Amino acid sequence: GNSVTQMEGPVTLSEEAFLTINCTYTATGYPSLFWYVQYPGEGLQLLLKATKADDKGSNKGFEATYRKETTSFHLEKGSVQVSDSAVYFCALTSSASKIIFGSGTRLSIRP
Amino acid sequence: DSGVTQTPKHLITATGQRVTLRCSPRSGDLSVYWYQQSLDQGLQFLIQYYNGEERAKGNILERFSAQQFPDLHSELNLSSLELGDSALYFCASSAGLESTGELFFGEGSRLTVL
Repeated sequence: GNSVTQMEGPVTLSEEAFLTINCTYTATGYPSLFWYVQYPGEGLQLLLKATKADDKGSNKGFEATYRKETTSFHLEKGSVQVSDSAVYFCALTSSASKIIFGSGTRLSIRP
Repeated sequence: DSGVTQTPKHLITATGQRVTLRCSPRSGDLSVYWYQQSLDQGLQFLIQYYNGEERAKGNILERFSAQQFPDLHSELNLSSLELGDSALYFCASSAGLESTGELFFGEGSRLTVL
């Protein structure tokens, strides 16, 4: 079945470091791909999305490119800040009414 | 603020009890989704309602049930509670039946079963 696999956390980085959180997927057809972010004490919120192959989603300095050949949608940011500390979820749409989330990656940024 | 309201924010109860979690979707949204987030299992899809009708079912236990009312708010009922039901329960909403992946999440209801 359809699934999302993302790198296990926690990931701890120093401020201004480069960030990559890996996400790969298994899906039939052509899913849309998403990154959601959950800040402490809050619900999830959409960070960025890509709806077809080679699309790049971007927001708040984060980027992810939909790679069909490697079935990946890795999240990157060139210079992280303490305020980026959160849990990040990769997700895909598998059907008309269901979104599948990865297990989440906790990111902690040291000042 | 996502526009999705969940109550209560925190709930502590005992095994064997029954609780009801409430969700008001974003204004104009017809679809409501329920998710369970536990430490060891990530975010699990439970069930979706669209305009009062059940549309999709995930890993929802038989002890759990949900409904969506004519005013579009939704309730998740959890009964015969077990220790393992302790988790964060999120409600999310979207405008239409077909999900584009853009869900708006509430802040969650944290359930602790003692």
